[in-house]
Amino acid sequence: GAGVSQSPSNKVTEKGKDVELRCDPISGHTALYWYRQSLGQGLEFLIYFQGNSAPDKSGLPSDRFSAERTGGSVSTLTIQRTQQEDSAVYLCASTARTGGNEQFFGPGTRLTVL
Amino acid sequence: GENVEQHPSTLSVQEGDSAVIKCTYSDSASNYFPWYKQELGKRPQLIIDIRSNVGEKKDQRIAVTLNKTAKHFSLHITETQPEDSAVYFCAARSYGQNFVFGPGTRLSVLP
Repeated sequence: GAGVSQSPSNKVTEKGKDVELRCDPISGHTALYWYRQSLGQGLEFLIYFQGNSAPDKSGLPSDRFSAERTGGSVSTLTIQRTQQEDSAVYLCASTARTGGNEQFFGPGTRLTVL
Repeated sequence: GENVEQHPSTLSVQEGDSAVIKCTYSDSASNYFPWYKQELGKRPQLIIDIRSNVGEKKDQRIAVTLNKTAKHFSLHITETQPEDSAVYFCAARSYGQNFVFGPGTRLSVLP
């Protein structure tokens, strides 16, 4: 079946503009994660949606970042008033259930803030 | 919260030699430990994982060992090949929590 998909694959924006990044998890996967990966760096946790529970937002770096997950499926990560330091690859991942199952990653969205 | 450290940050080995990457974690409640391989410009892909109820798991040239008492786990790659060159990430999580990743190890397999 289809894997995790993300759109757009690349996004170039000007400083101060808002951007929305989309993630379509694998159908039926209840847990969804957003990460940020700067060039040559590791995976920085941003937010975690777990079924119908309140999301774990502990990784969001500032109040300019927000995310929602509608209908337990598609998720959108919004960055308001983008800054140059927001430039990175934003990766989404999903797992089949809350427990320690395999995490499937999407291809990522490369965000460049000029 | 959980903290995962990973060593070394870079590792170069000759083709055919073995490579070992070590991770330590802080939260004794962590019970799932995956390893991911990320090739340049690609997404991370799971290569092997281990749960806290076993001490070792092997899949062809790749093995992972877990020492719960010492809170560390290691990735072992034998008979390394050039296509093993990539960045490897370890991670830890406890049930229902988010994954915490190590900073990564850049492995270079020299021909």
